[in-house]
Amino acid sequence: GAGVSQSPSNKVTEKGKDVELRCDPISGHTALYWYRQRLGQGLEFLIYFQGNSAPDKSGLPSDRFSAERTGESVSTLTIQRTQQEDSAVYLCASSPGQMNTGELFFGEGSRLTVL
Amino acid sequence: GQQVMQIPQYQHVQEGEDFTTYCNSSTTLSNIQWYKQRPGGHPVFLIQLVKSGEVKKQKRLTFQFGEAKKNSSLHITATQTTDVGTYFCAGRWRNYGQNFVFGPGTRLSVLP
Repeated sequence: GAGVSQSPSNKVTEKGKDVELRCDPISGHTALYWYRQRLGQGLEFLIYFQGNSAPDKSGLPSDRFSAERTGESVSTLTIQRTQQEDSAVYLCASSPGQMNTGELFFGEGSRLTVL
Repeated sequence: GQQVMQIPQYQHVQEGEDFTTYCNSSTTLSNIQWYKQRPGGHPVFLIQLVKSGEVKKQKRLTFQFGEAKKNSSLHITATQTTDVGTYFCAGRWRNYGQNFVFGPGTRLSVLP
């Protein structure tokens, strides 16, 4: 498809387990963002990748959170030892890069529920 | 870190009434974007404003960027039920990286 693809769409896990969320950006988009959205709340910035530059990890809430991106393709957000407060929708967005409009194209999100 | 504030948090209007949401930053923004998120959906880009005092229109929607580039507004004329959703502004500052910081959003309800 032409849009940002995220998987899984829904994930239910037990407290203490690790989870991995995947994002396939739009082909050719050099910028990739991860945001967290708790129920009824705004978007909380987590991490930003731009091409081969060092990622901006300033939004990661704890060392249980990490993300990787291979070149300008797939990104994976990993949450270790999940806690109930990690329950949220994790949104991935991609963008053509700095020289364009900067419009963020969002995926449908991965809804994480930690029991 | 940098933040953008948005008011109001909620707005209930009768169909046909106008609606405005405001976004404010304590420091000068590089640019600002607006997104709409329908209930159960993901944010969808509406517009980007870059220039001081810029005004852009999309049909019934009017977007403004303040002269000092510290505030912005989105005005909807004659709301329709299809306007229901949460409207977010997202700001970017020079020398603060390339990520966009989203405001808390304004949730709009339109009563038919």
